[in-house]
Amino acid sequence: EDKVVQSPLSLVVHEGDTVTLNCSYEVTNFRSLLWYKQEKKAPTFLFMLTSSGIEKKSGRLSSILDKKELSSILNITATQTGDSAIYLCAVSQGAQKLVFGQGTRLTINP
Amino acid sequence: EAGVAQSPRYKIIEKRQSVAFWCNPISGHATLYWYQQILGQGPKLLIQFQNNGVVDDSQLPKDRFSAERLKGVDSTLKIQPAKLEDSAVYLCASSTVRGPYNEQFFGPGTRLTVL
Repeated sequence: EDKVVQSPLSLVVHEGDTVTLNCSYEVTNFRSLLWYKQEKKAPTFLFMLTSSGIEKKSGRLSSILDKKELSSILNITATQTGDSAIYLCAVSQGAQKLVFGQGTRLTINP
Repeated sequence: EAGVAQSPRYKIIEKRQSVAFWCNPISGHATLYWYQQILGQGPKLLIQFQNNGVVDDSQLPKDRFSAERLKGVDSTLKIQPAKLEDSAVYLCASSTVRGPYNEQFFGPGTRLTVL
């Protein structure tokens, strides 16, 4: 059965800290791995990773894929209260299907 | 560019009642998805349309759920009759067909509470 597992499920840190969120997967016909941020309802797109070892960066967020280890990490440096959200990892398979992990709930305290 | 639109935003019904949700995808997006997200879990795909044809409905509980996408644009998802365990956020997403890579854009969702 295809599955995507995220860890930790919940994380509470102080503003300014750096956090690392993990995603591992076991799926057939892997095409790409995506990260989304979900604040209220609609997940918003962060990154799409297709090649192993190439870091994608956007401001204080960065992500990298390791196809050998079947995993990805999402780093957030100098965290702000606005980073508080659920972070979802999803893997894209053939026919454009996405399989989501259960999400990591990140809380940034001032 | 307008995003994915969904309505209603909230719905409260009693078990055994029927409910319908509506989605309007981003203009020009051929692929449309309905997801169910139960509290504390990631979204689970219910059904995927390519234009007005069904690509994947393997996780749709067909005894009570139905969906259609007439004319390949708007879509409706119906639950009849609803059960307590159907309480969830129903997300609609759309994407273009761009090779094997799939960036999906999500609507605001409909929060369904079944009492």
